[in-house]
Amino acid sequence: GAVVSQHPSRVICKSGTSVKIECRSLDFQATTMFWYRQFPKKSLMLMATSNEGSKATYEQGVEKDKFLINHASLTLSTLTVTSAHPEDSSFYICSARGGALGETQYFGPGTRLLVL
Amino acid sequence: SQELEQSPQSLIVQEGKNLTINCTSSKTLYGLYWYKQKYGEGLIFLMMLQKGGEEKSHEKITAKLDEKKQQSSLHITASQPSHAGIYLCGADTNAGKSTFGDGTTLTVKP
Repeated sequence: GAVVSQHPSRVICKSGTSVKIECRSLDFQATTMFWYRQFPKKSLMLMATSNEGSKATYEQGVEKDKFLINHASLTLSTLTVTSAHPEDSSFYICSARGGALGETQYFGPGTRLLVL
Repeated sequence: SQELEQSPQSLIVQEGKNLTINCTSSKTLYGLYWYKQKYGEGLIFLMMLQKGGEEKSHEKITAKLDEKKQQSSLHITASQPSHAGIYLCGADTNAGKSTFGDGTTLTVKP
């Protein structure tokens, strides 16, 4: 099946710093990537949809200046949490779809962010 | 907006027992996905259903989509500890995005 990787898997940072999370599709070209946030024992909350070569579309309530998304190539999207605060601590998961894989989204393993 | 409701929220079964998880939508489903997630990890794609009445199986897991395309069930036969995890149903919205249920946490006791 399709493989999506995320890096880093865990990150701890100080309040006020920025953190970049990478999402890569390893064996297919991802025309669309999605970024989700997941709270403990809750489902995934879509943050934004990222199409290669264009600006990301953010969901209502998600600050685009705080969560910067770049989808520079068909295999890489990045999420940068700027000026992170403790309330940004969460589990962030990306997914990707595209090409012959149709509409099915394939998920990365997630990144656990802890802001101290 | 389309909402997915999963039941039960959590389930504890003895190894070897069968179980069923349900996913009900407030609107007609055009694509229904089942995923498995281990806590703190990503989602593993299990199956996708699109047609009313469709049924798919993978090893001991069977998923069905009802004729009206508003409810899906995931059935595990002869459960094993390896089946433990969180099962999420997801559906495509007409905006090209996905919405997910809150998940069902399955514990299988050896």
